[in-house]
Amino acid sequence: EVVMTQSPSTLSVSPGERVTLSCRASQTLDFNLAWYQQKPGQPPRLLIYSTSTRATGVPARFSGRGSGTEFTLTISSLQPEDFGVYHCQQYGSWPPWTFGQGTKVEI
Amino acid sequence: QLQLHESGPRLVRPSETLSLTCAVSGGSLGSRSYYWGWIRQPPGKGLEWLGDINYGGNTDYNPSLISRLTLSVDTSKNHFSLTLRSVTGADTAVYYCARRRVMTNSGSWFDPWGQGTLVTVSS
Repeated sequence: EVVMTQSPSTLSVSPGERVTLSCRASQTLDFNLAWYQQKPGQPPRLLIYSTSTRATGVPARFSGRGSGTEFTLTISSLQPEDFGVYHCQQYGSWPPWTFGQGTKVEI
Repeated sequence: QLQLHESGPRLVRPSETLSLTCAVSGGSLGSRSYYWGWIRQPPGKGLEWLGDINYGGNTDYNPSLISRLTLSVDTSKNHFSLTLRSVTGADTAVYYCARRRVMTNSGSWFDPWGQGTLVTVSS
């Protein structure tokens, strides 16, 4: 099983700041990684797939990079609505598909 | 726009069976382009993939749950279902259903997701 490790666990930031979240895989994934945003009481929302492709309707301030075992999600200028928990998910090695434990972004 | 909606009992007693259904609207379960999956999230914790099923009933399961989990699909009703046997408190979680695209040489991401339903295992 591929173990996904996200860091930091919690991030306290101010609006307008540039934010970078990390996700590390225990095995190489090529570019098979997705990012989700989850707000309280809501399901995860797909932000990024294939490491760097934004999902439909996702603002351009969200960007993804990486390959192999190291991946990042960057929010170029944090907006108040960007608070929440961010999850990474690997789909390069199965079974099973696995998620990181999440990074909580606090405004 | 495709929507998914989970339904089922909110409270299940220990050692009994948890059963949930995911109704699909705005699209067909019969598409060869997608898998239909279940993911759960214990309160305050991360996400765990449980399993996937396709229109033909082909399934993939998380090895940690394979002995207790069964997925099924009913294309005539446009819904798919989850059955988890011999539940314990560790199975208390929000259960989500979601769609996953079929890819040739890899897995894929989940999009969209249902709103989720909290199932509590307690006597």
